[in-house]
Amino acid sequence: GENVEQHPSTLSVQEGDSAVIKCTYSDSASNYFPWYKQELGKRPQLIIDIRSNVGEKKDQRIAVTLNKTAKHFSLHITETQPEDSAVYFCAARGGLRSYNTDKLIFGTGTRLQVFP
Amino acid sequence: GAVVSQHPSWVICKSGTSVKIECRSLDFQATTMFWYRQFPKQSLMLMATSNEGSKATYEQGVEKDKFLINHASLTLSTLTVTSAHPEDSSFYICSAPRTSGWEETQYFGPGTRLLVL
Repeated sequence: GENVEQHPSTLSVQEGDSAVIKCTYSDSASNYFPWYKQELGKRPQLIIDIRSNVGEKKDQRIAVTLNKTAKHFSLHITETQPEDSAVYFCAARGGLRSYNTDKLIFGTGTRLQVFP
Repeated sequence: GAVVSQHPSWVICKSGTSVKIECRSLDFQATTMFWYRQFPKQSLMLMATSNEGSKATYEQGVEKDKFLINHASLTLSTLTVTSAHPEDSSFYICSAPRTSGWEETQYFGPGTRLLVL
């Protein structure tokens, strides 16, 4: 089955700096890679996702890159703000099948702290 | 975005009792829903896949007789923690995928915090 590794486990940056979180996956059939932000005690919120037919996607201060050959993908947050502080999870999922939507497998999470 | 609700948001129960958690997709139908468990400062661990009209698929190491899942309709899945023990105390989160064309996005419920005394 799929296995997703995520690094680093904690990341502290100064406000305005960039933050990069990296994930690797094991199943070459995986074709969907979302990133979730989870604040304490709340549900994970999708912040950006990328599919295997695209190498990079950007949404304002957030970007995600995907290297299918190396089986890794990264989240980039530029101009970080204190409100970006949260736990970020990457995930990977295989292709849609006839009867069962494939499950998401999550990375171990990265606790991002942005200091003012 | 799509809305997924969970009820209750938190529950405290005595050891040995059963607790039922509901997960609803409010504005779309979901033939599949997922149940996760999250311990403090840890990642989301998939427990099982809930399938409307058929049996749930459990992940390795998850006891199907302890965590009963029923996908009663296209908008409702329930997770019952039977004979709960303190080690079952956790944050339980469901998710439901919504498909638009060939793209699918998974939306999470707000979670249910379970404390077993």
